[in-house]
Amino acid sequence: KNEVEQSPQNLTAQEGEFITINCSYSVGISALHWLQQHPGGGIVSLFMLSSGKKKHGRLIATINIQEKHSSLHITASHPRDSAVYICAVNKGYGNKLVFGAGTILRVKS
Amino acid sequence: EAGVTQSPTHLIKTRGQQATLRCSPISGHTSVYWYQQALGLGLQFLLWYDEGEERNRGNFPPRFSGRQFPNYSSELNVNALELEDSALYLCASEPRTAYGYTFGSGTRLTVV
Repeated sequence: KNEVEQSPQNLTAQEGEFITINCSYSVGISALHWLQQHPGGGIVSLFMLSSGKKKHGRLIATINIQEKHSSLHITASHPRDSAVYICAVNKGYGNKLVFGAGTILRVKS
Repeated sequence: EAGVTQSPTHLIKTRGQQATLRCSPISGHTSVYWYQQALGLGLQFLLWYDEGEERNRGNFPPRFSGRQFPNYSSELNVNALELEDSALYLCASEPRTAYGYTFGSGTRLTVV
């Protein structure tokens, strides 16, 4: 079993829909990242969380440390949100990040 | 505050050549990490440098090497390039005393 599991693997949504991507992990962490990668593009860090909830524009990320679970929500989705979303956990200073397999999101207009 | 900067953005090399990729961490960050994302694959850990020393490396051949300079910037060198080295190479930096893991935007290396 991977240390970081994401679901769903693929997600197709209609423009305007509310989207949720989930991430579960099985190890103790110091922080969790949500990353975005557009096709052929580099990786952009969306959020870094160690507790609670963060919001940036239409994106919201939450983490429940006790449940070892995080969610990324996109409100009022738009075709430009189409990308791969990757969850990654940091097990502490000096530890490499452990990445989930990614969720491929396609938002249709 | 400037983020983690990587150069070049794109690099095209011929098989057998050497490639050098550069990373400048955020000011005050002492650790630099390198990751590889080959086509169709997930992100794989390559190397970790801290305070000028290589602290950990992933499962990559010795052709992949690097160094960290006194100003904490880092170079990744890939010798005897092979076609399968074509990938996005991502750098990240982290401070020692506080949490602040930050990614660069990557260098896309193409080996032809």
